Amino acid sequence: AQTVTQSQPEMSVQEAETVTLSCTYDTSESNYYLFWYKQPPSRQMILVIRQEAYKQQNATENRFSVNFQKAAKSFSLKISDSQLGDTAMYFCAFNSGYALNFGKGTSLLVTP
Amino acid sequence: EAQVTQNPRYLITVTGKKLTVTCSQNMNHEYMSWYRQDPGLGLRQIYYSMNVEVTDKGDVPEGYKVSRKEKRNFPLILESPSPNQTSLYFCASSPLPGSYNSPLHFGNGTRLTVT
Repeated sequence: AQTVTQSQPEMSVQEAETVTLSCTYDTSESNYYLFWYKQPPSRQMILVIRQEAYKQQNATENRFSVNFQKAAKSFSLKISDSQLGDTAMYFCAFNSGYALNFGKGTSLLVTP
Repeated sequence: EAQVTQNPRYLITVTGKKLTVTCSQNMNHEYMSWYRQDPGLGLRQIYYSMNVEVTDKGDVPEGYKVSRKEKRNFPLILESPSPNQTSLYFCASSPLPGSYNSPLHFGNGTRLTVT
């Protein structure tokens, strides 16, 4: 079975600071895809960033970047220069076939 | 505008009263899926469909039915809802599953309460 673990149920960061959200996964697949989704209070699911497992280079999207460690099966999300609008639930997700497997989420609060 | 449309956004019903949550996508996507989201459990897949007339169970299919008679529509049917099906439901679609360039597009969710 493929599982995704987010070990931080809640986190808090001050505006303009940097925060890192952790995610580990378990799989026997060799190629797969990893995603971070953001769910603000509006409950929309918004794709933040994605990474393909065979690509060595870590993905970056503006203030969002990942630290992908394939051997350790780790896929953490770094948010730089945090903004109030980053307050949301963040889900790590793993996709290698017909389903996107989600972690339980990390609730991030950005404070002024 | 490319989108996945779910209706209704909110639904309160009573135990045993059959209901349908509709889902429609206008992107000509092959793949569609239903998830439920519960606090502390993340999102769990209920059913998915690879194409018209092709559906399969996800991780939590008990108590749910789906159909895929047209490519754009993928309704979720609760024949006899129970309180443990109170949840936030998401429909999602993508051109192909498991593809880097095909992340899931989500609907805006349906908040279901079964009393």
